[in-house]
Amino acid sequence: DSGVTQTPKHLITATGQRVTLRCSPRSGDLSVYWYQQSLDQGLQFLIHYYNGEERAKGNILERFSAQQFPDLHSELNLSSLELGDSALYFCASSVLAHTDTQYFGPGTRLTVL
Amino acid sequence: AQSVAQPEDQVNVAEGNPLTVKCTYSVSGNPYLFWYVQYPNRGLQFLLKYITGDNLVKGSYGFEAEFNKSQTSFHLKKPSALVSDSALYFCAVRGRDNDMRFGAGTRLTVKP
Repeated sequence: DSGVTQTPKHLITATGQRVTLRCSPRSGDLSVYWYQQSLDQGLQFLIHYYNGEERAKGNILERFSAQQFPDLHSELNLSSLELGDSALYFCASSVLAHTDTQYFGPGTRLTVL
Repeated sequence: AQSVAQPEDQVNVAEGNPLTVKCTYSVSGNPYLFWYVQYPNRGLQFLLKYITGDNLVKGSYGFEAEFNKSQTSFHLKKPSALVSDSALYFCAVRGRDNDMRFGAGTRLTVKP
């Protein structure tokens, strides 16, 4: 158990809908990262937050957004969902950034029908 | 921008034999290199990392990795493979832009 929690574990929804994925980092970790894992794209970095501020953006679509709250938990919002958004979404956390090890949560499996 | 290549989709070894999972990288500046393992329906688990210092890094579960700057490689090794080592292995690199880039993954199968 990495200490990173993600909810829900599974999410099934329809095209065009909006969902919110939640992540609680390890106690004491200030950085939260979001990743998407799909069969065709592999593991893709989406976005990084540090202590409430956005630090880096990767391959994140405009339909997706995230935020990190004062209690350091983070939410990833996915809107206007398409079939191709079906994937595993992982959250990871680290103490600070850069050289720190990232610890991954168990993931949320999103299925868009 | 940094990138990572794992040239083998699949590696098969017999239990008790040594294993190597290959990784090469491209990065501006000093590389920060990581290995993670993913078991079915689980998140990624950290194995080891190279930041600076000794080129041979020891990690969890008996794994080690050798940083080779001239060959820009960071291969994962284990002297004696176990069936329970069968999983998906990811190499990753972070560079100056702070993004973590993962390789495509190598599926390791250890046969009894």
